Amino acid sequence: NAGVTQTPKFRILKIGQSMTLQCTQDMNHNYMYWYRQDPGMGLKLIYYSVGAGITDKGEVPNGYNVSRSTTEDFPLRLELAAPSQTSVYFCASSRDSNEQFFGPGTRLTVL
Amino acid sequence: QKEVEQDPGPLSVPEGAIVSLNCTYSNSAFQYFMWYRQYSRKGPELLMYTYSSGNKEDGRFTAQVDKSSKYISLFIRDSQPSDSATYLCAMSESAGNQFYFGTGTSLTVIP
Repeated sequence: NAGVTQTPKFRILKIGQSMTLQCTQDMNHNYMYWYRQDPGMGLKLIYYSVGAGITDKGEVPNGYNVSRSTTEDFPLRLELAAPSQTSVYFCASSRDSNEQFFGPGTRLTVL
Repeated sequence: QKEVEQDPGPLSVPEGAIVSLNCTYSNSAFQYFMWYRQYSRKGPELLMYTYSSGNKEDGRFTAQVDKSSKYISLFIRDSQPSDSATYLCAMSESAGNQFYFGTGTSLTVIP
């Protein structure tokens, strides 16, 4: 099993550009999550999904969108990038929602 | 008031020392408590998972939950340089609910 994979590893965006962060898991987990991690701020939940076709907002959803068309994939979309979205983004998945497995992260800089 | 409070450190100890890491929380409805280890530039990995109050031991690691004091701890015995990482506590009310993470404690074990 590859576990949770994320692409790209690094990205630099200009203000106003858009991009999609990809997340795929091969563990057949129902639950998937997107977090952002800022220095000294811990992990903040952006969006989560309890299964294909079902998504819900987390603590900091503004400026982001998600979709969950398959069990394996949970892409995160940034429509109009802003400097405040500079962060490290982690995708996670879990079978029963209490033991989350994290991907390696995407480092995003918005200039 | 933050949901979860964690001393960011940094904490520096000699090899072989016993390390104590702690988190406090304000929400008495939290029932699931987790400790994650995060190496530099990597995603968090689950170390310990406990439900409700009590102790759980796994090798050199012991997790304690005191719900009456709203306080959780992670003890590392015989600490090794490979334990040098950031340790994050996390908790949730019930299966399927949002996780709340602490900001993480940075630990360095000096050979």
